[in-house]
Amino acid sequence: DAGITQSPRHKVTETGTPVTLRCHQTENHRYMYWYRQDPGHGLRLIHYSYGVKDTDKGEVSDGYSVSRSKTEDFLLTLESATSSQTSVYFCAISESGLAGRSSYNEQFFGPGTRLTVL
Amino acid sequence: AQKVTQAQTEISVVEKEDVTLDCVYETRDTTYYLFWYKQPPSGELVFLIRRNSFDEQNEISGRYSWNFQKSTSSFNFTITASQVVDSAVYFCALSDYNTDKLIFGTGTRLQVFP
Repeated sequence: DAGITQSPRHKVTETGTPVTLRCHQTENHRYMYWYRQDPGHGLRLIHYSYGVKDTDKGEVSDGYSVSRSKTEDFLLTLESATSSQTSVYFCAISESGLAGRSSYNEQFFGPGTRLTVL
Repeated sequence: AQKVTQAQTEISVVEKEDVTLDCVYETRDTTYYLFWYKQPPSGELVFLIRRNSFDEQNEISGRYSWNFQKSTSSFNFTITASQVVDSAVYFCALSDYNTDKLIFGTGTRLQVFP
């Protein structure tokens, strides 16, 4: 199994409070991703990173920010949590994205964080 | 725009039945990758298979098999002789050639009853 951990695994918070979720990997993979999973929507990409300090927006990035100061850590921050951000959040890693466009590695997922915003 | 459609929201079968999960995709890319992931009741996402657009060979892995047909833009997944442990949500996903992103379908929940 890929070495990916997420913390916390469960969190309940109140509307308007800041929340930071952490993803930690031990695989030294270059690419890291944050998704949210909601019923009827599957997984939707929030932000991703293709290297230290290199990040880009995904499909549902509004209300979220990310940071990656080390290869192994990718942080997702909800600046001011809202009830619509209640979801299960997954971190994923991959060895390469489209480097050279000759291969595309599968993404491996962390165990998920269940976030409830009251 | 890229899109993945899993029209079957939920499927219920009895153990030992064969079951096929459908996946239809849309893309303008000539080079792309398709994936299947399994999410058991415990919640983690498990990678099952990756297929690139130049390889239309069907693949079999034990009781699992995948049928990739570019002509119909489909990448269907069949479980032969289903077992209770196959109960899970299964996601099909498509790579975006110009980015490093995966586009997921909405998933199919498979329930296998004893």
